[in-house]
Amino acid sequence: IAGITQAPTSQILAAGRRMTLRCTQDMRHNAMYWYRQDLGLGLRLIHYSNTAGTTGKGEVPDGYSVSRANTDDFPLTLASAVPSQTSVYFCASSDSPGQGKRIYGYTFGSGTRLTVV
Amino acid sequence: AQTVTQSQPEMSVQEAETVTLSCTYDTSENNYYLFWYKQPPSRQMILVIRQEAYKQQNATENRFSVNFQKAAKSFSLKISDSQLGDTAMYFCAFMKRIGWGDMRFGAGTRLTVKP
Repeated sequence: IAGITQAPTSQILAAGRRMTLRCTQDMRHNAMYWYRQDLGLGLRLIHYSNTAGTTGKGEVPDGYSVSRANTDDFPLTLASAVPSQTSVYFCASSDSPGQGKRIYGYTFGSGTRLTVV
Repeated sequence: AQTVTQSQPEMSVQEAETVTLSCTYDTSENNYYLFWYKQPPSRQMILVIRQEAYKQQNATENRFSVNFQKAAKSFSLKISDSQLGDTAMYFCAFMKRIGWGDMRFGAGTRLTVKP
């Protein structure tokens, strides 16, 4: 089934530990995104990638890093987790906006619930 | 920067009745997309409906329709004949059509459909 796979589904992490959230898509979308969802704040963009080999910072990038070695994978790394990073993390993908293609919305993964204690 | 505001944190509706969720946005762009996403307890983000700003006709998808008022920067979602399965968080979102721009989300409205 075409879509986005995120792993793990949930995780409890000790503060100060390093963690990588995995995201893989099979739709050959150029653009990929990482959002965090917090109650009362909606979804906020952490990092994005327009195409393989390029990444950019979103609204709340501090404490997170990403890489985009190929089209399909877009991992998110927390170098040293802190309790304020407790959240639900969503990976999403789309055709690249601004290339003349009509955008039909993002395709989202099922999310990773991360608790930092 | 674009902002999206959903002023109703929670709403409820009786099964089979109609409910309208509000959304306003702020932008200087003229060409953009607007979306409503549904997030049921399963946590999956599901696209409900999409509107292109240059289209004056309001989008409709079965029981879901929007009232798009471009001058007022308003994009409300109407759910007709509400069903128990409509119980979910609903997010309004904005995205520029030209040039780079990520999707910006409102804070969400939690809708409960009561039997």
